[in-house]
Amino acid sequence: ILNVEQSPQSLHVQEGDSTNFTCSFPSSNFYALHWYRWETAKSPEALFVMTLNGDEKKKGRISATLNTKEGYSYLYIKGSQPEDSATYLCASGNAGNNRKLIWGLGTSLAVNP
Amino acid sequence: EAQVTQNPRYLITVTGKKLTVTCSQNMNHEYMSWYRQDPGLGLRQIYYSMNVEVTDKGDVPEGYKVSRKEKRNFPLILESPSPNQTSLYFCASSSSFGTYSNQPQHFGDGTRLSIL
Repeated sequence: ILNVEQSPQSLHVQEGDSTNFTCSFPSSNFYALHWYRWETAKSPEALFVMTLNGDEKKKGRISATLNTKEGYSYLYIKGSQPEDSATYLCASGNAGNNRKLIWGLGTSLAVNP
Repeated sequence: EAQVTQNPRYLITVTGKKLTVTCSQNMNHEYMSWYRQDPGLGLRQIYYSMNVEVTDKGDVPEGYKVSRKEKRNFPLILESPSPNQTSLYFCASSSSFGTYSNQPQHFGDGTRLSIL
């Protein structure tokens, strides 16, 4: 994989449902994986930065896991609330020369009350 | 309050009229970056700066210029704007970016440019 790919592209769930989505990234020369939440009419806000294989991070009802060997990360939201409605972006950084992030297109989550 | 401030938030202008979008951060961050966001294309990096007087091209630098004379400021300059530069622009900053992108980026509120 040369790009960062996120799936699904969009998701509609009911309030109280738990959900998860995937970020696939280049596993060679991997250094860091970022997750951001981007609410409509606002700017992206960092959720997690993960660097270690097997790493798991949690922030309230949101958690993320990382598998650097196979190049994927999962973001989980437990008991979705309407305020969780946003686009969730992931970005991958590698240990190459560019020192920049490769961004996915995001998963758009809509939580219906 | 730690923040990245962009101005203006919205601008409608005409082809060829030079414009500057300012970006300022108060977190003493070394790394600053400009992105544009277009439907279906995601965030694309225009230019970035590792520190004062150090700038480099991102993925889509054509038609843009930047400067980093002070650590806190990173203006984006469109010398001769064209309609294909109509987009939503974000400035971002982070610390210690020299350690290979393991620091979260802090984004400004965005600037929506329309070039007629």
